[in-house]
Amino acid sequence: EIVMTQTPISLSVTPGQPASISCKSSQSLLYSDGKTYVFWYLQKPGQSPQLLIYEVSNRFSGVPDRFSGSGSGTEFTLKISRVEAEDVGVYYCMQSMLLPRAFGQGTRLEI
Amino acid sequence: VQLVESGGGLAQPGKSVRLSCSASGFTYDDYAMHWVRQPPGKGLEWVSSISWNSARRDYVDSVKGRFTISRDNAKNSLFLDMTSLRAEDTALYYCVKDRVEGGSAGFDYWGRGTLVTVST
Repeated sequence: EIVMTQTPISLSVTPGQPASISCKSSQSLLYSDGKTYVFWYLQKPGQSPQLLIYEVSNRFSGVPDRFSGSGSGTEFTLKISRVEAEDVGVYYCMQSMLLPRAFGQGTRLEI
Repeated sequence: VQLVESGGGLAQPGKSVRLSCSASGFTYDDYAMHWVRQPPGKGLEWVSSISWNSARRDYVDSVKGRFTISRDNAKNSLFLDMTSLRAEDTALYYCVKDRVEGGSAGFDYWGRGTLVTVST
């Protein structure tokens, strides 16, 4: 079973400043098809999770370009170039390479 | 894309509940579907997945033998039959669409969830 570990658990950021969240997996998430099935979601207060990034670095439809994902193997990062007030919430990484699909414990971003 | 869950509520331990999800805005029978749950104030946990044609169904270990996922492609509906409920099944249950047509490659759209509370 793959374990996803996020750091930090929480962070407080001034609007306009960058933010970075790390996600480490207990084993490589590079699949035999050459893709790496790491996803990033944001759950805004009182809302359902929304997809930000798929397969490590691909922004989902409508996601602002201030969000970017990077990484390989077992280490992944979500970066926000300039945090805005609407970015508050809990960020989750997830692996979808092996069952059971696993989420990180979440990182709470506050302004 | 719209995913609307229903069927949640208060259930006693050991009892059963059936969750439903009504999907619209996409070609439902082309996509795998999933259930993900979130206990109050806690993180996300994948529960179950079903392929587009129901040929493959997967479950997290903690619900195997108790929960059954199914779908009705003619009615654009997804179901989760939950039996032998336990207090630890208390959670908001989300209906979630797969990102890739015909495959299983992660989640894109989520419903608003339906709350299941297991308690005496």
